[in-house]
Amino acid sequence: NAGVTQTPKFQVLKTGQSMTLQCAQDMNHNSMYWYRQDPGMGLRLIYYSASEGTTDKGEVPNGYNVSRLNKREFSLRLESAAPSQTSVYFCASRLQGPDTQYFGPGTRLTVL
Amino acid sequence: KQEVTQIPAALSVPEGENLVLNCSFTDSAIYNLQWFRQDPGKGLTSLLLIQSSQREQTSGRLNASLDKSSGRSTLYIAASQPGDSATYLCAVKETSGSRLTFGEGTQLTVNP
Repeated sequence: NAGVTQTPKFQVLKTGQSMTLQCAQDMNHNSMYWYRQDPGMGLRLIYYSASEGTTDKGEVPNGYNVSRLNKREFSLRLESAAPSQTSVYFCASRLQGPDTQYFGPGTRLTVL
Repeated sequence: KQEVTQIPAALSVPEGENLVLNCSFTDSAIYNLQWFRQDPGKGLTSLLLIQSSQREQTSGRLNASLDKSSGRSTLYIAASQPGDSATYLCAVKETSGSRLTFGEGTQLTVNP
């Protein structure tokens, strides 16, 4: 039981490049989330998926898109990366009912 | 808009000391409050979750209290150990379907 896994762990992009951050959970959780963590800003929700087939915007969705590929996988795409998107990105999942979110180890993204 | 503040931002204590971390929130109409631990370069791990109807939760050497009317929560760590060194974050949820709002965290160092 690996919990929540994220790939890649580190990534460096140039401005304007695109990439997809991958997230998978093996706990049969219904809800999945993408956060970014920045110094002085705390964790902020980018997008979430309450169940398979649904996605909704969070606090800071601009510049990102998401796909809930199936119940296990929730990907985050940056179509045209900007330096302001330099951050640590965390994926999390939650089983409906119990409210605890389980977090992945994070992806550290630098956009030059 | 809900805002969550954690004081102090950093705390350094000698091993064995009992300590209190503080969390305050601006809107007292919350659904629940959670305390998380984050180790350097890692994701978040849930420590304690307090429902709005509860006053406190305990897990081992950790005790979290909630005072909704004053918009405050405290995390009490008894007999601190170097392994407790980490960043501790609190997060509030306003309704059952809403997102978590995180504080910026308190970075704790326990010195041997």
